[in-house]
Amino acid sequence: NAGVTQTPKFQVLKTGQSMTLQCAQDMNHNSMYWYRQDPGMGLRLIYYSASEGTTDKGEVPNGYNVSRLNKREFSLRLESAAPSQTSVYFCATHPQDGELFFGEGSRLTVL
Amino acid sequence: DAKTTQPTSMDCAEGRAANLPCNHSTISGNEYVYWYRQIHSQGPQYIIHGLKNNETNEMASLIITEDRKSSTLILPHATLRDTAVYYCIVRGSNSGYALNFGKGTSLLVTP
Repeated sequence: NAGVTQTPKFQVLKTGQSMTLQCAQDMNHNSMYWYRQDPGMGLRLIYYSASEGTTDKGEVPNGYNVSRLNKREFSLRLESAAPSQTSVYFCATHPQDGELFFGEGSRLTVL
Repeated sequence: DAKTTQPTSMDCAEGRAANLPCNHSTISGNEYVYWYRQIHSQGPQYIIHGLKNNETNEMASLIITEDRKSSTLILPHATLRDTAVYYCIVRGSNSGYALNFGKGTSLLVTP
């Protein structure tokens, strides 16, 4: 029972390259979230999905796209990576009216 | 959701109680106070939450003032492993989880 699994854990990109961060949860929760955390900063919400087939923008959605592939998986795509997207990305989920469970993070560096 | 104010950093001696304050003066009647912590490089971890009564679990105690405008997270016997950033978050019972994690309080537990 892994909880929330994020892949890859580390990635280095060049400016303009694209990539997808994957998140999968095995807790059968409806809601899933993508946050980013910059050095010395708190977490900021990028996108979230309240249920399969729905997605909504968070605080900092520009430069990102998301896909809620099914109930288990919620992916975050960077179409044309920029140095400003260098960050640690966290995926999270929660049960109905419960607390958030986070993955271990994906550390992205854009050169 | 109401905003919160926390001190930037705090120190605590190992074995002593760590008392982390949080101000949420604009909290409304249906908003809960949540606490999470983030140990270096890991995903945030849920600690405790409450509405208006004091709460206790195996990790910590949460004391909410009668007017609900502030709260204190208490780690009764801090250990070195409690060194982390602690986030106080206010969330409405009917709102989503687009939580504003802010910058939190960086707690350093010293030997």
